[in-house]
Amino acid sequence: EAGVTQFPSHSVIEKGQTVTLRCDPISGHDNLYWYRRVMGKEIKFLLHFVKESKQDESGMPNNRFLAERTGGTYSTLKVQPAELEDSGVYFCASSPSPGEETDTQYFGPGTRLTVL
Amino acid sequence: ILNVEQSPQSLHVQEGDSTNFTCSFPSSNFYALHWYRWETAKSPEALFVMTLNGDEKKKGRISATLNTKEGYSYLYIKGSQPEDSATYLCAFSSGGFKTIFGAGTRLFVKA
Repeated sequence: EAGVTQFPSHSVIEKGQTVTLRCDPISGHDNLYWYRRVMGKEIKFLLHFVKESKQDESGMPNNRFLAERTGGTYSTLKVQPAELEDSGVYFCASSPSPGEETDTQYFGPGTRLTVL
Repeated sequence: ILNVEQSPQSLHVQEGDSTNFTCSFPSSNFYALHWYRWETAKSPEALFVMTLNGDEKKKGRISATLNTKEGYSYLYIKGSQPEDSATYLCAFSSGGFKTIFGAGTRLFVKA
């Protein structure tokens, strides 16, 4: 069974540019999460989808970040325009059951974003 | 503000040593506590999810305990091996699916 995949693995962009990160969860997983780890700090929650609906986006830093999950399959996280402080590793995770908060989350390998 | 603290920040042990580290979390509104193992350049790998006070989980040489009343969990590694070198993350869920991670304990096992 394929795990969570993320694309690209690395992205280097200039301040002011736009970047779109993609996450493909494990097939059949309704829950999809985005997290971010800024250099040297802990992993921080960004938002959570159940199927195509945003359940909690309280961790999104500001309105330069837009996440979508059209069709309830893969998700994209767009940063527009990117700022220097957006640099970090963006992780996606998925878990199966919509009602089970104790479900194990399976993480993707992350996208390392560098904003110059 | 919900905070998850892990200690120590890093730990160096010799092969064969047993070791343990701590995760502290808010004792109110507890739902679940997760432990992950995270190797450099890989994705965090789930070790345990614990929900009940007094829970003990074991996977090979790694085990974990949970005390929800006082808000802590211990992760134990028996007979550490170099391949155990990784960052061990704990994450706390208080309901509503939001998961709060600690900063991790970085374990180095020297052969």
